[in-house]
Amino acid sequence: AQSVSQHNHHVILSEAASLELGCNYSYGGTVNLFWYVQYPGQHLQLLLKYFSGDPLVKGIKGFEAEFIKSKFSFNLRKPSVQWSDTAEYFCAVGPFSGGYNKLIFGAGTRLAVHP
Amino acid sequence: KAGVTQTPRYLIKTRGQQVTLSCSPISGHRSVSWYQQTPGQGLQFLFEYFSETQRNKGNFPGRFSGRQFSNSRSEMNVSTLELGDSALYLCASSATTNEKLFFGSGTQLSVL
Repeated sequence: AQSVSQHNHHVILSEAASLELGCNYSYGGTVNLFWYVQYPGQHLQLLLKYFSGDPLVKGIKGFEAEFIKSKFSFNLRKPSVQWSDTAEYFCAVGPFSGGYNKLIFGAGTRLAVHP
Repeated sequence: KAGVTQTPRYLIKTRGQQVTLSCSPISGHRSVSWYQQTPGQGLQFLFEYFSETQRNKGNFPGRFSGRQFSNSRSEMNVSTLELGDSALYLCASSATTNEKLFFGSGTQLSVL
């Protein structure tokens, strides 16, 4: 079955702490991988995506993610979080081709960053 | 550039009624996808339209349907509403397929 598992539902950090959010997926075939973020009161927006090439991808606001094919993982990282990173983060997977935007989303991780 | 616009923002309906939700994509985007978001099931894909054609469909009953107009605006319809249809319905547009999705703010549907 196709699925995305996000390891943590809630994460609480202090400013300047490092962040790593886990994401594992189960999906047949070649995939595209995404991290979307929803800031309080705002709509979902793309943080970063992996389609092919360098497995370490960089996104907006200093976020990066590493695709490890052998582990079916796409973990999100940031070396030093800020209060403004407080948001809900969603990992998503879709087929490399032919999927027509049919993404499978994880349940989300709520991140709270305290000053 | 205006973002994805969904109307109405909130809806309250009773069981058995039907409802129509509207989505206007970003100008120039030809693909419109719909997702249902609930606390229990998270985000689930409903369907995707491109140039007025449904190209993919999720695992939802036939009560859920949609269409896309020649100007790329899309509507989704849910007939014979059930309590379990209460959810946030999100519309997303993209220029082409398998590309970055731009989401709207959603329509919050409550079924009483």
